[in-house]
Amino acid sequence: QSVLTQPPSVSAAPGQKVTISCSGSSSNIGNNYVSWYQQFPGAAPKLLIYDDDKRPSGIPDRFSGSKSGTSATLGITGLQTGDEVDYYCGTWDNSLSAWVFGGGTKLTVL
Amino acid sequence: QVQLVESGGGVVQPGRSLRLSCAASGFIFGDFGMHWVRQAPGKGLEWVGVISYAGSNQYYADSVKGRFTISRDNSKSTLYLQMSSLRVEDTAVYYCAKDLYSITSPTGDYWGQGTLVTVSS
Repeated sequence: QSVLTQPPSVSAAPGQKVTISCSGSSSNIGNNYVSWYQQFPGAAPKLLIYDDDKRPSGIPDRFSGSKSGTSATLGITGLQTGDEVDYYCGTWDNSLSAWVFGGGTKLTVL
Repeated sequence: QVQLVESGGGVVQPGRSLRLSCAASGFIFGDFGMHWVRQAPGKGLEWVGVISYAGSNQYYADSVKGRFTISRDNSKSTLYLQMSSLRVEDTAVYYCAKDLYSITSPTGDYWGQGTLVTVSS
């Protein structure tokens, strides 16, 4: 059971927008920055969003991050079939003194 | 460009030991904290532990505490994961990841390609 809760799957049509939620608590999301990762099958995770809402260089502005209280959200607009992979949220947990991740969300572009 | 290359994975029997390495290049290795993160087959990401830039501080997941040790050699730009008393449930792809700036506000901005560890009799 993951410390952070993500929906196992989300779906939307090409060109549309989708959001992926990440729910935690005051010991993690509520008091620490959240980052988001994209992972293709058989590949390493890739940083998409850091410090809740910042994009690394090279990440398109179709990807966005936000946070409110103890929940964070990844938004993806203009969906493409190439976005159809797994997404993970992560943050530090002050009680566990550990980097914790969500269980991952598989995005399907219908 | 930043490169992280893990090595040392393989098949090992339960109870035995194994040491993984992560060779870094393209950045000043001694300036950044480094993490190990693993992923069991078909499962999600699980953090293993982290070491500070100078090696003076480490944190570990409860699942590996007392069995795994993270170390680094900044003169060789190399990170290590010494794994002992291995269990079947330690079977996973092990990734090293560079931290963006703070090990207690972790962000893995670069990741290696991973090395597979299989614990089986």
